[in-house]
Amino acid sequence: DTGVSQDPRHKITKRGQNVTFRCDPISEHNRLYWYRQTLGQGPEFLTYFQNEAQLEKSRLLSDRFSAERPKGSFSTLEIQRTEQGDSAMYLCASSLEGSRTQETQYFGPGTRLLVL
Amino acid sequence: KQEVTQIPAALSVPEGENLVLNCSFTDSAIYNLQWFRQDPGKGLTSLLLIQSSQREQTSGRLNASLDKSSGRSTLYIAASQPGDSATYLCAVKRGANSKLTFGKGITLSVRP
Repeated sequence: DTGVSQDPRHKITKRGQNVTFRCDPISEHNRLYWYRQTLGQGPEFLTYFQNEAQLEKSRLLSDRFSAERPKGSFSTLEIQRTEQGDSAMYLCASSLEGSRTQETQYFGPGTRLLVL
Repeated sequence: KQEVTQIPAALSVPEGENLVLNCSFTDSAIYNLQWFRQDPGKGLTSLLLIQSSQREQTSGRLNASLDKSSGRSTLYIAASQPGDSATYLCAVKRGANSKLTFGKGITLSVRP
């Protein structure tokens, strides 16, 4: 168990560019979540997957955002035409749903995005 | 809509003090509640998870309690150490198939 990993850890981009982040969950976990966190705030939910199915999307997730989880393994989060307001820490979490004692969400280190 | 509040936003205590961090939520119909620790610029580390049917959970010097009817949870830290300095967030889950809703966190500083 190597934990949840995210890549890259930091990304600086210019407004209008597209960026893509990757998350590798804990291997046996069937749920994968994306959250966004700005300074001084708690994480805000963006979307989550059960295996490869995207089950819920937040209203925060505009049409410039898209997430995938092909084959129910790693996930990618793409932001098109980035805006300065997209600057935040993007956090990925995974969990094993189905057993109430194992539903702890484990978070990755995050990808910090700065849009100039 | 579920709202989670953590007050105060920051807390500074001398080393060795026992302390309580509070979390309140507006909708008592929760599935579980989780406490996390976050170090500056880092991801979240899960500390304790309390199911809706439980009243408390313990791990080492940490004890978390849950009172669903009053919409409150507390995280008790015994014999605080400078290494406990971090931001502590609580989060609630409404149902088995729902997301976590987080508070803004309490930034704790433990002075040597």
